[in-house]
Amino acid sequence: QKEVEQDPGPLSVPEGAIVSLNCTYSNSAFQYFMWYRQYSRKGPELLMYTYSSGNKEDGRFTAQVDKSSKYISLFIRDSQPSDSATYLCAMRRGSNDYKLSFGAGTTVTVRA
Amino acid sequence: DAEITQSPRHKITETGRQVTLACHQTWNHNNMFWYRQDLGHGLRLIHYSYGVQDTNKGEVSDGYSVSRSNTEDLPLTLESAASSQTSVYFCASSDHRALTGELFFGEGSRLTVL
Repeated sequence: QKEVEQDPGPLSVPEGAIVSLNCTYSNSAFQYFMWYRQYSRKGPELLMYTYSSGNKEDGRFTAQVDKSSKYISLFIRDSQPSDSATYLCAMRRGSNDYKLSFGAGTTVTVRA
Repeated sequence: DAEITQSPRHKITETGRQVTLACHQTWNHNNMFWYRQDLGHGLRLIHYSYGVQDTNKGEVSDGYSVSRSNTEDLPLTLESAASSQTSVYFCASSDHRALTGELFFGEGSRLTVL
């Protein structure tokens, strides 16, 4: 079983829809949770970062972490064609452990 | 601007050949990583380094090696390339002092082993 599970999709939504992405994980030692966005043939870039449980909002993006359920989510409101990309969840353990464990990534297409 | 660069961006090689992928960063980051990306698997960690002369194995390290002789570079070597190593390889770096531990990725090196 993978340490981090993420439905690879693909996911296709009309412009303006809410996109909901999620990951589950098995290792309760994970403390730092991130979402990366990757455009085609590019390297991933950090989109959202959350420490421990809770919600974080940044513009149209909201990240949620529920450590009791080992479940993290990313919501994209008012989705735009420019949001079409692969979204990867990532997480790491303690403050001295810098390597990230990634989900498989979900490919999202927003149709104009 | 500081950056992280990978070379070559594309390479085709034959089974059994030795291949080295270069990674160079100008942020002076202590931490450097090599991941491979395959459909359905996401990014899997191959090797990582937390400083000069420090190297560590990741989850898929068999058939790969790295060396860290300075802060800026972490070359990845495939000792004897196999078709199963056909993949897109990403190098990344991070600042050990940063709260987020954000990884900064290169553009990737696409390797095909025939």
